[in-house]
Amino acid sequence: GQNIDQPTEMTATEGAIVQINCTYQTSGFNGLFWYQQHAGEAPTFLSYNVLDGLEEKGRFSSFLSRSKGYSYLLLKELQMKDSASYLCAVLDSNYQLIWGAGTKLIIKP
Amino acid sequence: ETGVTQTPRHLVMGMTNKKSLKCEQHLGHNAMYWYKQSAKKPLELMFVYSLEERVENNSVPSRFSPECPNSSHLFLHLHTLQPEDSALYLCASSQGAGRGGNEQFFGPGTRLTVL
Repeated sequence: GQNIDQPTEMTATEGAIVQINCTYQTSGFNGLFWYQQHAGEAPTFLSYNVLDGLEEKGRFSSFLSRSKGYSYLLLKELQMKDSASYLCAVLDSNYQLIWGAGTKLIIKP
Repeated sequence: ETGVTQTPRHLVMGMTNKKSLKCEQHLGHNAMYWYKQSAKKPLELMFVYSLEERVENNSVPSRFSPECPNSSHLFLHLHTLQPEDSALYLCASSQGAGRGGNEQFFGPGTRLTVL
């Protein structure tokens, strides 16, 4: 079966750095997405990786290793507004998005 | 504001009721999706429409019935639901049904409670 694993919950301190990991086992791979979802709101797109390596976008970076079935989302200079759930999703060989259950990130002052 | 709107935002219904969820996208996209989001579970894809034709139906019970009258509007008709159907129902749209890096834009969701 297809599976996306990410931690259920993480806690970090304002101003610090946090890394949210995602491992996947899917039938084929056509890219990996990260989305942010604040409580009671719509998920919003953060990043898309299809090639190995690190993609940097401001305070957020996303890394992919296809050989290891692994990605992480790196958040720097954490702000209170970064408290949210972070969803990892993989596009499989049928171009269907397979979603992880999300990681709830709690930022403390 | 993502360009995708959903109504109503909250809905409470009995098991014998019939109701409809509405989604509208203002982005000119040609694919639309219905997802179910339950607490601490992955998003469950229910239906996909591409160019107004249904291309995906992931074994969703017949008490959920989608309708896509045009590329901007998507409905989810509900009847004789069960309490376990209580969840957040999200609508999304994209340019192309999942091809390449075409991100999906989500609406705020309808919080459904079935009594």
